[in-house]
Amino acid sequence: TQLLEQSPQFLSIQEGENLTVYCNSSSVFSSLQWYRQEPGEGPVLLVTVVTGGEVKKLKRLTFQFGDARKDSSLHITAAQPGDTGLYLCAGEEETSGSRLTFGEGTQLTVNP
Amino acid sequence: DVKVTQSSRYLVKRTGEKVFLECVQDMDHENMFWYRQDPGLGLRLIYFSYDVKMKEKGDIPEGYSVSREKKERFSLILESASTNQTSMYLCASRDIAGGSTDTQYFGPGTRLTVL
Repeated sequence: TQLLEQSPQFLSIQEGENLTVYCNSSSVFSSLQWYRQEPGEGPVLLVTVVTGGEVKKLKRLTFQFGDARKDSSLHITAAQPGDTGLYLCAGEEETSGSRLTFGEGTQLTVNP
Repeated sequence: DVKVTQSSRYLVKRTGEKVFLECVQDMDHENMFWYRQDPGLGLRLIYFSYDVKMKEKGDIPEGYSVSREKKERFSLILESASTNQTSMYLCASRDIAGGSTDTQYFGPGTRLTVL
């Protein structure tokens, strides 16, 4: 059973467009992380959100943690070709120690 | 600059061979993890370790074993490789102190093909 569902699985947009990626679960997480992975490399952490309702910004990327700490979203404004990559959300349940559960990933392609 | 290194970027093995994937981290982290990554399935946890000589099964441990003889090194072993173990294997490490805000660092991955 997949605890974290990401949508959409694939997204292909033009440079300058905005987009939102969603990460949903029926479980409550003590924290939720977003990673970006480029071809041939391991995922790299973008942000960690820990408080329900929390919003974090990283340049053109805005991350939000749901009030109930069951879901999260990643919004990219004015996407650029350099944003192309696989975006992964990962949640840590309070009883899991340091173990993360990953979503399936969203493959984003930004065309020039 | 923190680093997680994996012994091979690409590996081709034959069915039935014993395969060793090595992972080394230089951050003195207690926690280390092995995942496999397949299209549409995300990252699935195979095994993890909280400390030297300690190991815990993840979600898909069947067909795999691990070894952690030193803190910095975590090895994944495929006792008898099968074609359904063709995948990208990712190693990661994370500090146990500080709780949920600690960063998990990944290695570059090993793309294993079993023929």
